[in-house]
Amino acid sequence: DQQVKQNSPSLSVQEGRISILNCDYTNSMFDYFLWYKKYPAEGPTFLISISSIKDKNEDGRFTVFLNKSAKHLSLHIVPSQPGDSAVYFCAASVGGSARQLTFGSGTQLTVLP
Amino acid sequence: DTGVSQDPRHKITKRGQNVTFRCDPISEHNRLYWYRQTLGQGPEFLTYFQNEAQLEKSRLLSDRFSAERPKGSFSTLEIQRTEQGDSAMYLCASSTPPGQGGTGELFFGEGSRLTVL
Repeated sequence: DQQVKQNSPSLSVQEGRISILNCDYTNSMFDYFLWYKKYPAEGPTFLISISSIKDKNEDGRFTVFLNKSAKHLSLHIVPSQPGDSAVYFCAASVGGSARQLTFGSGTQLTVLP
Repeated sequence: DTGVSQDPRHKITKRGQNVTFRCDPISEHNRLYWYRQTLGQGPEFLTYFQNEAQLEKSRLLSDRFSAERPKGSFSTLEIQRTEQGDSAMYLCASSTPPGQGGTGELFFGEGSRLTVL
């Protein structure tokens, strides 16, 4: 049973446009959500997080939106850059910190120049 | 650079053999985690240490798997009698809890890729 789902295995976006990556979860106990980025042959790198007490968190070009009623979160990247091309993982945890994470299966983002 | 270091990066072994992976966390981090990632999937939690104490273990961690962190610094993950289904990337991560001056976010190493023939 996948508790965190990323239903789009891949996404292609033109440079300069907005990238929107989506994630759904089923476990209502999740209260902390994160996005990680992974380049080939590297470990995942933390990107941005959001607590369930918020519905939006911004960091530069990256914004995460949380819709608790829909059990849905999304990552917006504006403007997208070719260096953003990577696999993006959504992750969730219980207890308000990043201790034991449940990851989605990832979305391969390709930003076309 | 003092990021999370894992060794070896790649390991090819025959079914039935034992393998051991080592992880050196970021030096000031007292929490250490092992995750496993198979092709096309996200990382799956295996186990977690706070200092030398192993506080949580996933049901994925069968009896053939054992992890240690004897002095609260580096950690080893041993897989005994390897099976082809053990082929995966084994990721180590470390962190400092938010209440101890850290952000709590996990910092991952580059992983150790295991191939069982």
